[in-house]
Amino acid sequence: GAVVSQHPSRVICKSGTSVKIECRSLDFQATTMFWYRQFPKQSLMLMATSNEGSKATYEQGVEKDKFLINHASLTLSTLTVTSAHPEDSSFYICSARAHVNTEAFFGQGTRLTVV
Amino acid sequence: TQLLEQSPQFLSIQEGENLTVYCNSSSVFSSLQWYRQEPGEGPVLLVTVVTGGEVKKLKRLTFQFGDARKDSSLHITAAQPGDTGLYLCAGETNAGKSTFGDGTTLTVKP
Repeated sequence: GAVVSQHPSRVICKSGTSVKIECRSLDFQATTMFWYRQFPKQSLMLMATSNEGSKATYEQGVEKDKFLINHASLTLSTLTVTSAHPEDSSFYICSARAHVNTEAFFGQGTRLTVV
Repeated sequence: TQLLEQSPQFLSIQEGENLTVYCNSSSVFSSLQWYRQEPGEGPVLLVTVVTGGEVKKLKRLTFQFGDARKDSSLHITAAQPGDTGLYLCAGETNAGKSTFGDGTTLTVKP
């Protein structure tokens, strides 16, 4: 299957700083990328949907000014957690699909710990 | 908001036993996916079911999509320790957005 790579896989940051997570589709062009958040032993919660070249669509309850999403190219989307707090510590996962109704491929996830 | 309820939430069985995980919703989905996720990794797609009543088999795993396309089940025959993991169902709407179930944590003891 297609490959989606997330970087970094783990990051520890200090409270109040910002962290950027990258999601790359390595062997296909992703018109749509999704960002999820997952707490331990829980399911994936969709945070936002981003389409290349347009503003991301955020799910209800997700602060767009805190979780900045940029999808500047067909192979790269970034999620920036601004002014991180310990409660932002979580597992962040992206997925990417080439077109609607095609398979979405998931990245390996990024474990964010805010201390 | 479309909700997907998975049951059971946790399941611990002995190697060789059979098990079934259920995924239920009041909403109709254009397709439904089953994923398996290992700790610290992203979900890996196992199967996609599209047609109501569809049954798909993947070695010891059997997936069924309900006739009304609102529910699905995953049956594992003769479970092995390597089957241990978090199993997630996800329903996809015509708009292309996926909603994930709560997940089933399966532990298969040798």
